[in-house]
Amino acid sequence: AQSVTQPDIHITVSEGASLELRCNYSYGATPYLFWYVQSPGQGLQLLLKYFSGDTLVQGIKGFEAEFKRSQSSFNLRKPSVHWSDAAEYFCAVGAGFQKLVFGTGTRLLVSP
Amino acid sequence: DAGVTQSPTHLIKTRGQQVTLRCSPKSGHDTVSWYQQALGQGPQFIFQYYEEEERQRGNFPDRFSGHQFPNYSSELNVNALLLGDSALYLCASSLLGTGTLDYGYTFGSGTRLTVV
Repeated sequence: AQSVTQPDIHITVSEGASLELRCNYSYGATPYLFWYVQSPGQGLQLLLKYFSGDTLVQGIKGFEAEFKRSQSSFNLRKPSVHWSDAAEYFCAVGAGFQKLVFGTGTRLLVSP
Repeated sequence: DAGVTQSPTHLIKTRGQQVTLRCSPKSGHDTVSWYQQALGQGPQFIFQYYEEEERQRGNFPDRFSGHQFPNYSSELNVNALLLGDSALYLCASSLLGTGTLDYGYTFGSGTRLTVV
């Protein structure tokens, strides 16, 4: 069965510092991979997605993610974090026919 | 362009009661999926409706049922509520009719259900 693991429950980053959020997936075929962000009391906003091709994917708000098949990973990165990036981040894998399987999320805290 | 609209935004129910949540999809979308997000967890897939039929279902009991109307809007019904049903219920719409499998979801802001 498909699954997603986000090993970090919370991460605190200083404003202006770089960020990397980890995501590992389990899926038999070529995965469709996604990163979503959720602000308090809000729904999910798509940051970026990977289907095929270039393994480095650019998204909105300055985020990027790299697909590494050998490591079954799809880590999210940002070179310089802003206070407004504080939110919950979810990695997800497409599990067929437009069904998504999500990880448990990583809460990003940004310190001044 | 209106996105996905869910109602109500918050709801408090008593154990054993029944609840109906509503979702209006983004204009142009024909498919509605429902997800349950318990506190501190990621969203979990409940089911998906396309052409007024349930097309896929996650690992949820029959107490969870749904409906899709001809205008593509959808309802999620939960019977015999349990305390464990307390969660944020998210609706996501997408366009399946083109046959492309691109997971082009648009999520609503959700309905916060509290069962007491």
